[in-house]
Amino acid sequence: EAAVTQSPRNKVTVTGGNVTLSCRQTNSHNYMYWYRQDTGHGLRLIHYSYGAGNLQIGDVPDGYKATRTTQEDFFLLLELASPSQTSLYFCASSAGTGDGDEYFGPGTRLTVL
Amino acid sequence: TQTVSQSDAHVTVFEGDSVELRCNYSYGGSIYLSWYIQHHGHGLQFLLKYYSGNPVVQGVNGFEAEFSKSDSSFHLRKASVHWSDSAVYFCAVSAITNTGKLTFGDGTVLTVKP
Repeated sequence: EAAVTQSPRNKVTVTGGNVTLSCRQTNSHNYMYWYRQDTGHGLRLIHYSYGAGNLQIGDVPDGYKATRTTQEDFFLLLELASPSQTSLYFCASSAGTGDGDEYFGPGTRLTVL
Repeated sequence: TQTVSQSDAHVTVFEGDSVELRCNYSYGGSIYLSWYIQHHGHGLQFLLKYYSGNPVVQGVNGFEAEFSKSDSSFHLRKASVHWSDSAVYFCAVSAITNTGKLTFGDGTVLTVKP
């Protein structure tokens, strides 16, 4: 069965802290995505990638970096975390055919104090 | 640029009622339309999608959605809801490209009362 896992599931850091969120997919999908979910905004795309070493900018990229080390692994980096980045973060993967099928991880709740 | 609008932030119905969750979109090109469900504390799960052909598409657990080009809509319906259908429902659109990038609406919280 297709699977997307995320770690950690919960993270608390302080303003200015350095945070890495991890995502792994076993779907053999080329595309992976990072979203943030905030009340009243739905899901907003931060970064995405179509393969190892590739990175594409999403709709709300400011303050975030990302790296795709392998087909399976996609990381989201917050090098100077700010309270405005307190959110629920989701990773997803897809075959990238544009057919609307994305598989989501369980989410990481990040709190920046 | 594509946009998705879900006009109802909250919908409350009783078990056994029918329900329609509204979704309107704007985009000038060819698109896929899809619906996702998010139960509390979980990630999103795919429900159904539409690209072409029969404008009424069937999804899992008795859900269906109807595409209307004239109304730029893709409303989700269920004839008889169960308490377990309580969740947040997201409508999404993706352009016919090879990125699979989705644009989501803000979601509709469906509460089914016993």
